[in-house]
Amino acid sequence: NAGVTQTPKFQVLKTGQSMTLQCAQDMNHEYMSWYRQDPGMGLRLIHYSVGAGITDQGEVPNGYNVSRSTTEDFPLRLLSAAPSQTSVYFCASSYRGGWTEAFFGQGTRLTVV
Amino acid sequence: AQSVTQLGSHVSVSEGALVLLRCNYSSSVPPYLFWYVQYPNQGLQLLLKYTSAATLVKGINGFEAEFKKSETSFHLTKPSAHMSDAAEYFCAVSDPLEGGSEKLVFGKGTKLTVNP
Repeated sequence: NAGVTQTPKFQVLKTGQSMTLQCAQDMNHEYMSWYRQDPGMGLRLIHYSVGAGITDQGEVPNGYNVSRSTTEDFPLRLLSAAPSQTSVYFCASSYRGGWTEAFFGQGTRLTVV
Repeated sequence: AQSVTQLGSHVSVSEGALVLLRCNYSSSVPPYLFWYVQYPNQGLQLLLKYTSAATLVKGINGFEAEFKKSETSFHLTKPSAHMSDAAEYFCAVSDPLEGGSEKLVFGKGTKLTVNP
């Protein structure tokens, strides 16, 4: 099993550009989430999904869009990149339930100049 | 709303010494609690989790944690540190009333350094 796969691993964007971070999981997990990690801030939830066609906002959703058309994929779109979105982005997936383990991808390191 | 506090953003120990990483949570109901480890330039890997089955939880790589409801704590320990334990450690909480593991709330992390 590949687990949770994120692409690309690294990206440099110019301010105002848009892009999509890809996330795919092959574990048939219902739950998927996007987090951003900034130094000294831990991980903060951007958006999450509890199943295909269902998404909701997390703690820091501004400037990001998501959709979930299939169980496997959960792309994160940056609409108009800003330097404040420079961060490391992690996608995670898990089975239904609060007690279940979240599996994380390897991350995408994004720099906005 | 849930929150997680990790005391000490950096902890330094000698190889062979006890490792103690502190985590306190705030939640209206007994939560589910997790410890994750992140090695440099890697994703997060689960060390252990508390899901109310037992208050003392054993995880991978010799780590364990004890859930203390009266102290709202879930501290991570390892009797003898190894150089390979150098990493960043995150405590996370999931509130059974507010959602599942799709909405983890993380602490800010503790970076563990192990000195030879």
